[in-house]
Amino acid sequence: SYELTQPPSVSVSPGQTARITCSGDELSKQYVYWYQQKPGQAPVLVIYKDSERSSGIPERISGSSSGTTVTLTISGVQAEDEADYYCQSADSSGFRVVFGGGTKLTVL
Amino acid sequence: EVQLVESGGGLVKPGGSLRLSCAASGFNFNTYYMNWVRQAPGKGLEWVASLSSGGRDHYYADSVKGRFTISRDSAKNSLYLQMNSLRAEDTGLYFCARTQGHYDTFGYDVWGQGTSVTVSS
Repeated sequence: SYELTQPPSVSVSPGQTARITCSGDELSKQYVYWYQQKPGQAPVLVIYKDSERSSGIPERISGSSSGTTVTLTISGVQAEDEADYYCQSADSSGFRVVFGGGTKLTVL
Repeated sequence: EVQLVESGGGLVKPGGSLRLSCAASGFNFNTYYMNWVRQAPGKGLEWVASLSSGGRDHYYADSVKGRFTISRDSAKNSLYLQMNSLRAEDTGLYFCARTQGHYDTFGYDVWGQGTSVTVSS
């Protein structure tokens, strides 16, 4: 079955840049969506269609794509950015959806 | 206000059944793909099932295919998940989610708060 691979954890100090990658064989053909999930809360869509920022999401959160790897970048990381981040895409049919395993962002 | 509210979770024995509901409000429910996503305790998100706006096309994760059925009632603005032959590994928080855009099949811009399902003897 199709899988998306994310690093389990990323740690950065406040003000630094965090980069979270997501890789998968079909990512050059399908869009990727990124979600932020804080403890006890539902996920929130932060980036859609690889690089579009959802309404209300700060400009320091951005997405980019290169081949079969996409990257979520958070510039000037703040304490409030500490959360789990998940990428989402689909197989070549577009109907079998898959989430990455999630990355825990820790702000030191 | 655009809102999704899940209900129907609870404690059920292995092999049992449960029906989850998701009440939608604040948007034209009939024009959106709808989905179920679950999260086992302490684990990541797992896509469960999706249903087209007209209710004709449905898709399931391999882990639930043949056991779960997704459906919708346009008159009640509601999404459902009928879960049969439940297993311990089905335990988790079940989220209802709306697909962003009328022509997209994934990418979820609205989520409910989830309903908890525990499968245990």
